Amino acid sequence: GENVEQHPSTLSVQEGDSAVIKCTYSDSASNYFPWYKQELGKGPQLIIDIRSNVGEKKDQRIAVTLNKTAKHFSLHITETQPEDSAVYFCAATPDGAGTALIFGKGTTLSVSS
Amino acid sequence: NAGVTQTPKFQVLKTGQSMTLQCAQDMNHEYMSWYRQDPGMGLRLIHYSVGAGITDQGEVPNGYNVSRSTTEDFPLRLLSAAPSQTSVYFCASSQTGNNYGYTFGSGTRLTVV
Repeated sequence: GENVEQHPSTLSVQEGDSAVIKCTYSDSASNYFPWYKQELGKGPQLIIDIRSNVGEKKDQRIAVTLNKTAKHFSLHITETQPEDSAVYFCAATPDGAGTALIFGKGTTLSVSS
Repeated sequence: NAGVTQTPKFQVLKTGQSMTLQCAQDMNHEYMSWYRQDPGMGLRLIHYSVGAGITDQGEVPNGYNVSRSTTEDFPLRLLSAAPSQTSVYFCASSQTGNNYGYTFGSGTRLTVV
């Protein structure tokens, strides 16, 4: 089955710096790769996603890149702000059909002002 | 439009007791799934469903049962609770087709003593 590995587990940056979180996946059939942000005491919230026919996608300060050959994808946050502090999860579809998601173990991002 | 509603928000069970975690969505989503979240382990898929009458096992299905009699509801049953099932449980739903964006509920925090 699909296995998703995520690094680093914790990341501390200064306000205004960039943050990068990386994930690798094992199943070449996976074709959908979302990123979720989870704030304390809340459920995960989708912040950006990418499909396998796209190499990069941007939404304001957030971008995701995908390298299908190497089976890895990354989340890039520019000009970080204290409100970006949260736990971030990457995920992949286990069967390529979007029926459910397999998650990485998460990255705790701390942005200090 | 309430999204994904989970009840209860908190529950304490004694070992061996049974209970049902409720999940309901009002977005007419076909795909629904259950995850458990433990410290350092990320979100792990328990069971999922692609439509009424259809369910399948995820990464960690042992000790849990599900059924999907309607599109709206996807309850998770613990038949004989064990301390190892102490966790935060999240339900999620998604449309089929090209829109794989999952919406998560706010979670149920379960403690088994």
